[in-house]
Amino acid sequence: ETGVTQTPRHLVMGMTNKKSLKCEQHLGHNAMYWYKQSAKKPLELMFVYNFKEQTENNSVPSRFSPECPNSSHLFLHLHTLQPEDSALYLCASSQVGATYEQYFGPGTRLTVT
Amino acid sequence: AQSVTQLDSQVPVFEEAPVELRCNYSSSVSVYLFWYVQYPNQGLQLLLKYLSGSTLVKGINGFEAEFNKSQTSFHLRKPSVHISDTAEYFCAVTSGNTPLVFGKGTRLSVIA
Repeated sequence: ETGVTQTPRHLVMGMTNKKSLKCEQHLGHNAMYWYKQSAKKPLELMFVYNFKEQTENNSVPSRFSPECPNSSHLFLHLHTLQPEDSALYLCASSQVGATYEQYFGPGTRLTVT
Repeated sequence: AQSVTQLDSQVPVFEEAPVELRCNYSSSVSVYLFWYVQYPNQGLQLLLKYLSGSTLVKGINGFEAEFNKSQTSFHLRKPSVHISDTAEYFCAVTSGNTPLVFGKGTRLSVIA
């Protein structure tokens, strides 16, 4: 595997389900990010982790719970979601203090029914 | 805080014609600028970046962008587009110690 991978690529879940999205980066980076991309809306930064520590939470509802066990892995735990949470969830990584660009995974297309 | 404005939400252009996608930013400090491309059902891919030095930056797939500090712009250009360039393009900015701030995107549609 190379770059940033995300699983699953597609997920359909009911409002009472609990599921998790997984992201793994193979680039040796020390920062990871979750973004939400909805139709006709700009990219929304959700969470930022630097060296496994959460450094940013952009007023994300508590039904989204991130977890970063190490610098290579990032999870987004989902529970009691709403239909408006249906979106493409993108994971990204970067090297803090280096060249600043972020590398993105292919995303997980989430549909909440 | 930084912000990015992409002036056109959609740009249709005929194949082999030139294209310019506009991006303006606002920031009170020095910035680093990026263009990303997103093909359908995929993540964002880095096209090019400006960190310092020459204001004309060349990227992948024949794209280039010019950093204009006085006009706070970073427009993306390609002299001759292909059908395969149809995608969403995002401009982004950072001051270096904050996550990237993205524009709303410009959908480029190349018409045969």
